[in-house]
Amino acid sequence: AQSVSQHNHHVILSEAASLELGCNYSYGGTVNLFWYVQYPGQHLQLLLKYFSGDPLVKGIKGFEAEFIKSKFSFNLRKPSVQWSDTAEYFCAVTHGSSNTGKLIFGQGTTLQVKP
Amino acid sequence: NAGVTQTPKFQVLKTGQSMTLQCAQDMNHEYMSWYRQDPGMGLRLIHYSVGAGITDQGEVPNGYNVSRSTTEDFPLRLLSAAPSQTSVYFCASSYGGGSAQVEQFFGPGTRLTVL
Repeated sequence: AQSVSQHNHHVILSEAASLELGCNYSYGGTVNLFWYVQYPGQHLQLLLKYFSGDPLVKGIKGFEAEFIKSKFSFNLRKPSVQWSDTAEYFCAVTHGSSNTGKLIFGQGTTLQVKP
Repeated sequence: NAGVTQTPKFQVLKTGQSMTLQCAQDMNHEYMSWYRQDPGMGLRLIHYSVGAGITDQGEVPNGYNVSRSTTEDFPLRLLSAAPSQTSVYFCASSYGGGSAQVEQFFGPGTRLTVL
């Protein structure tokens, strides 16, 4: 069965520090990868997504992620975090080339940014 | 557009009670899904639908029923609530078919506590 692993469960950073959140998936075929963010008290929002082409994907709010097929990874990065980045971050995957309406999520990483 | 709406926002039930969580979307999306979010486990798919009259089970369907009589609405029914169903429930929707690049849109969630 497909699965998604996020190894960092809780990350605490100071403002201006760099961020990298790990995401690994287990599926050998075509995958489509997403990072969602959930700010406190809000619903999930899409940060960025990867389907094909350039493995370095840029999203909103200065986030980017790199797809490394050989490592089955899709790590999220931000060069300099802000207090407003405090949120929970979810990596998710679908497989195949067609929309199935189903996402498989990782466990989530809680990011706390200290001012 | 209101997007994806969910009611109620909060609910407390006693073991054995039944209730329906409501989900509606006004984006004419064909696909709709229900997820539950539990600490350390991310979001897990309960049921999903690819159109009116068509539903299927996700990863954790036991104890839940769904039906889809209209494109707009996708209610989730708890037949006999159990403490293990204490969770935050998210409804999501997306355009049907097409490529896997389609984004899912999430509702604000319903926080359910079963005593």
